[in-house]
Amino acid sequence: NAGVTQTPKFQVLKTGQSMTLQCAQDMNHNSMYWYRQDPGMGLRLIYYSASEGTTDKGEVPNGYNVSRLNKREFSLRLESAAPSQTSVYFCASTGRGDEQYFGPGTRLTVT
Amino acid sequence: GENVEQHPSTLSVQEGDSAVIKCTYSDSASNYFPWYKQELGKGPQLIIDIRSNVGEKKDQRIAVTLNKTAKHFSLHITETQPEDSAVYFCAAIGQGGGSYIPTFGRGTSLIVHP
Repeated sequence: NAGVTQTPKFQVLKTGQSMTLQCAQDMNHNSMYWYRQDPGMGLRLIYYSASEGTTDKGEVPNGYNVSRLNKREFSLRLESAAPSQTSVYFCASTGRGDEQYFGPGTRLTVT
Repeated sequence: GENVEQHPSTLSVQEGDSAVIKCTYSDSASNYFPWYKQELGKGPQLIIDIRSNVGEKKDQRIAVTLNKTAKHFSLHITETQPEDSAVYFCAAIGQGGGSYIPTFGRGTSLIVHP
C-alpha cells in the first residue's frame, strides 16, 4: 500500500515550457487535491476533485489545469510555466474519515 | 470563507520542555480540526485530530484541545525530543455543501534543542 505517490520529485523548467505533474493514490479515496507550498504561506489549494469526473477551482487556480483521469489518478498541468509558479506541489487524497493523506511533493523551479 | 490564524510562526524549546501551538478559526460551521507534522523534504503527515463534539484528545505525548465558543484549538507536545523538530500545520474543515475543503494555518517551525 503506497498511499499517495507523485512524479516527478524534482523538475526545472524554463519560462513558457509546459509540464504535467502526476499523482496517484491506492486507498480508494473519492476526493483528491493539489496544493502549492511557498515559504511562510502554508498550503494553498489549487484545484480539487470531490469525486471521479468532477473538478473545482481552489484558492489559486490561475495558470493551472487539472484532469481526474480515473478514481486513482489526478494530474496537474502547467501550460506555460512562469517564475511565480516556482514552488513545492503536493497532491493529497481524502477518504470517508476526513483524514487527508499527502504525497511526498514535487519541487518545481521555473527559470 | 474560513480563515485560520496560527501562532507562533517559530517556537524554540529545550529538550524535555513542553510546546504549545495555537490556532484560531473564523467559521463556526467548521467541525473537524486536524494537525499535521511536516519534516524537511517530506509531505505533511496527520498526527492528531479533533472533532467539534470533543473538547480534548490525547495520544501519548501530544494532545489537542478545542474551545468552540472562542473558536480556537491548540496542539500540546510534552517532553519534547529532537525528533519533534518539524513544521506543524493546523487546519479547519467544514463540510457544507458536501465538499471537504481544509483551510490551513501558515505553519509553526518547532525547534527542539538537545
